[in-house]
Amino acid sequence: SQQGEEDPQALSIQEGENATMNCSYKTSINNLQWYRQNSGRGLVHLILIRSNEREKHSGRLRVTLDTSKKSSSLLITASRAADTASYFCATDAPGNQFYFGTGTSLTVIP
Amino acid sequence: DTEVTQTPKHLVMGMTNKKSLKCEQHMGHRAMYWYKQKAKKPPELMFVYSYEKLSINESVPSRFSPECPNSSLLNLHLHALQPEDSALYLCASSQARGGSRTEAFFGQGTRLTVV
Repeated sequence: SQQGEEDPQALSIQEGENATMNCSYKTSINNLQWYRQNSGRGLVHLILIRSNEREKHSGRLRVTLDTSKKSSSLLITASRAADTASYFCATDAPGNQFYFGTGTSLTVIP
Repeated sequence: DTEVTQTPKHLVMGMTNKKSLKCEQHMGHRAMYWYKQKAKKPPELMFVYSYEKLSINESVPSRFSPECPNSSLLNLHLHALQPEDSALYLCASSQARGGSRTEAFFGQGTRLTVV
């Protein structure tokens, strides 16, 4: 991808379990954001973490950022069938660059 | 109003046609983006406008021509496209504060098919 890689590429879990996906990126960043996409339509912003932050929470979402390793993780707790979607990290880098990672396809089985 | 509106939702065009994709936002955002997304792939950045000026062109072929007539509108003019240009074209906008972007808002995209 233009900026980074995500793993796993695909993840299938039972409803109620936690889902963790990881993002690695290549350059220095201002912030890192996570987005969700259903059925190949528009992306929806989930959470933003700044480069000077290490962890952030929003509802059932927990994001961590390790700038020394150029990596981030997204944890979704107590997953629901409605969480089934593709999840992308996006890095806001200097110079107006805003690139997406390769994405993780999450399937939550009811 | 936190919407980014893209028109049309679907477009089928021949390789000799000229068409335009339109994007509109009224959130006062000064950064606007075009992305191209193929099936099961991440969005690929094509163009970035910052304060109505083109700031990034990711080596996109000249058959794609962006235009930002004002701070609320973004167009993508299409001419002599190839079948491999068929994809979902996404527009997004964000505020830019101190060189760092806030969250981006995306439109629902235009599903383009080139025949």
